[in-house]
Amino acid sequence: GAGVSQTPSNKVTEKGKYVELRCDPISGHTALYWYRQSLGQGPEFLIYFQGTGAADDSGLPNDRFFAVRPEGSVSTLKIQRTERGDSAVYLCASSLNAGANNEQFFGPGTRLTVL
Amino acid sequence: QKEVEQDPGPLSVPEGAIVSLNCTYSNSAFQYFMWYRQYSRKGPELLMYTYSSGNKEDGRFTAQVDKSSKYISLFIRDSQPSDSATYLCAMSTLFSGGYNKLIFGAGTRLAVHP
Repeated sequence: GAGVSQTPSNKVTEKGKYVELRCDPISGHTALYWYRQSLGQGPEFLIYFQGTGAADDSGLPNDRFFAVRPEGSVSTLKIQRTERGDSAVYLCASSLNAGANNEQFFGPGTRLTVL
Repeated sequence: QKEVEQDPGPLSVPEGAIVSLNCTYSNSAFQYFMWYRQYSRKGPELLMYTYSSGNKEDGRFTAQVDKSSKYISLFIRDSQPSDSATYLCAMSTLFSGGYNKLIFGAGTRLAVHP
């Protein structure tokens, strides 16, 4: 079966531009997470969706970052006025339900480079 | 100070060696402890999952959790070149909404050479 997919796999943009990163979770998974992984670091939590709603967005660094999941499946992470410090791998994970016993399955990530 | 500390390595061992990977943490509320393996340019994949203290074994892998010392370990026996990857420890509490926000260590790069 298909795993979590993320598009694009690589995105190069210029400082100040707007970008959208897409995540397709495993079919039927209600919980969706976004993480950001900087070079040489572990992933850092950004936001968690249960269904269509963002239940916890405490990890979003500032108001330039926004994420949606309008139909409770695909999610889009949106970054406005990109900065060089936004360069990182953005990982999406999904799990069947919320809860500690539900494994989070990660996608391959989108590697964002801001020039 | 980070909530989860992990030596980034790199760690280089010969094939067949026993590998020991470790993390320490500061948040005593953590209840769930995981080890993920991440190959280059791939997403993390779950290797081991432990709830609270104790040991768990799965094939060549053994995970240990010592909550009194806030210390977790992953042992790999008979290491293989295919084990070469970055190993991330992760831990979490269960939030009131029932979800699971993972806090990761920085990852340890492991190279197993033939």
